[in-house]
Amino acid sequence: QVQLVQSGGEVKKPGASVKVSCKASGYTFTNYGISWVRQAPGQGLEWMGWISAYNGNTNYAQKFQDRVTMTTDTSTSTVYMELRSLRSDDTAVYYCGRDLIQVSAIPGYWGQGTLVTVSS
Amino acid sequence: EIVMTQSPATLSVSPGERATLSCRASQSVSSDLAWYQQKPGQAPRLLIYGASTRATGIPARFSGSGSGTEFTLTISSLQSEDFAVYYCQQYNNWPPYTFGQGTKLEIK
Repeated sequence: QVQLVQSGGEVKKPGASVKVSCKASGYTFTNYGISWVRQAPGQGLEWMGWISAYNGNTNYAQKFQDRVTMTTDTSTSTVYMELRSLRSDDTAVYYCGRDLIQVSAIPGYWGQGTLVTVSS
Repeated sequence: EIVMTQSPATLSVSPGERATLSCRASQSVSSDLAWYQQKPGQAPRLLIYGASTRATGIPARFSGSGSGTEFTLTISSLQSEDFAVYYCQQYNNWPPYTFGQGTKLEIK
């Protein structure tokens, strides 16, 4: 069965960077892309971007364009999302989601979420 | 950027009753519209994609309709496990693939 297991929670200071991992199993990793979506406390869902696990092509929301990098490691079937220059309003649960259908960018399977707390 | 607007923000319905949730796009997204359910402390769960196609394992009481800019999620007979927050998302035009702000479905 498809499983996405994310790394554990992080506490970071303003200005620092965080790198969240999403390890996939139960399917052919390179056949599906991964989206990243975040949710601030008590708030709605916010789409951050998408990466193809086939060729590493990315598509980022303009809001995060200058601060985010998404990468893949096909040897370990893991996707990474790095967010730099953290601010207090980056405090959120970060989710990865696998494409339901190839290259659809519709997250049909989700990780459990990773809480990133930004605080001085 | 396409703006997705959901209404109402909160919907109070009794178990066994029908619930109708709305989602409007600021410009046409064709049928490239998904609905998600989220319960407290859990990741979102895909319910509907292509505006009206149920994802695998989703009960038939969930149905989606609409195209262009107006969409509806209907839950025909509410069960206790259906009380949650529901989000729509367009995937027609990126970046970004925008979400609506959510509708909280609560027990009346």
